[in-house]
Amino acid sequence: ETGVTQTPRHLVMGMTNKKSLKCEQHLGHNAMYWYKQSAKKPLELMFVYNFKEQTENNSVPSRFSPECPNSSHLFLHLHTLQPEDSALYLCASSPGTDTQYFGPGTRLTVL
Amino acid sequence: AQSVTQPDIHITVSEGASLELRCNYSYGATPYLFWYVQSPGQGLQLLLKYFSGDTLVQGIKGFEAEFKRSQSSFNLRKPSVHWSDAAEYFCAVGGAGSSNTGKLIFGQGTTLQVKP
Repeated sequence: ETGVTQTPRHLVMGMTNKKSLKCEQHLGHNAMYWYKQSAKKPLELMFVYNFKEQTENNSVPSRFSPECPNSSHLFLHLHTLQPEDSALYLCASSPGTDTQYFGPGTRLTVL
Repeated sequence: AQSVTQPDIHITVSEGASLELRCNYSYGATPYLFWYVQSPGQGLQLLLKYFSGDTLVQGIKGFEAEFKRSQSSFNLRKPSVHWSDAAEYFCAVGGAGSSNTGKLIFGQGTTLQVKP
């Protein structure tokens, strides 16, 4: 399935910038996820939303702020990031208790 | 503790050769098991999944995996590898039934290189 989209695909930002990542799914799923994928590290689950409510925050720094206005959209607001936050940020959705389907990711570079 | 181990970080096989990628898991309840593939710069694509029933599951692109409860393993296999199979492969485990929180635990991944 290719029903999860992410924009932008690439983002370069300075440490003082504010930017947002967007994820959209048209699969009718009620759960959405943000993951961080850094080089040579396992996927790190950041946030989980079920029916627009945050059910998991995996000790993510407050410079990452998620928003889920409805079950189809998920945002990740970024501010005052550090160079070590450079990574591929992946969004996924699922029917809640089943398989997760991933978007293509946003490649973030923090200068 | 819940975990997934993929013992091989990097594997190189010749095109046309058979492939087996190993996955071992530690999970305190009945597991759901998944294999995903990721091409460079892309997201993860589901190859196959095991929930229950037949322990040999078929997936896309000619892949299959076998669940062995006694060995806590879910190894991925393909009889004849194609150059387009070069990618990174991730094994993941989640909880079945009442243990299901919707969260998956991923292994560190195995990078597959295919020699012509």
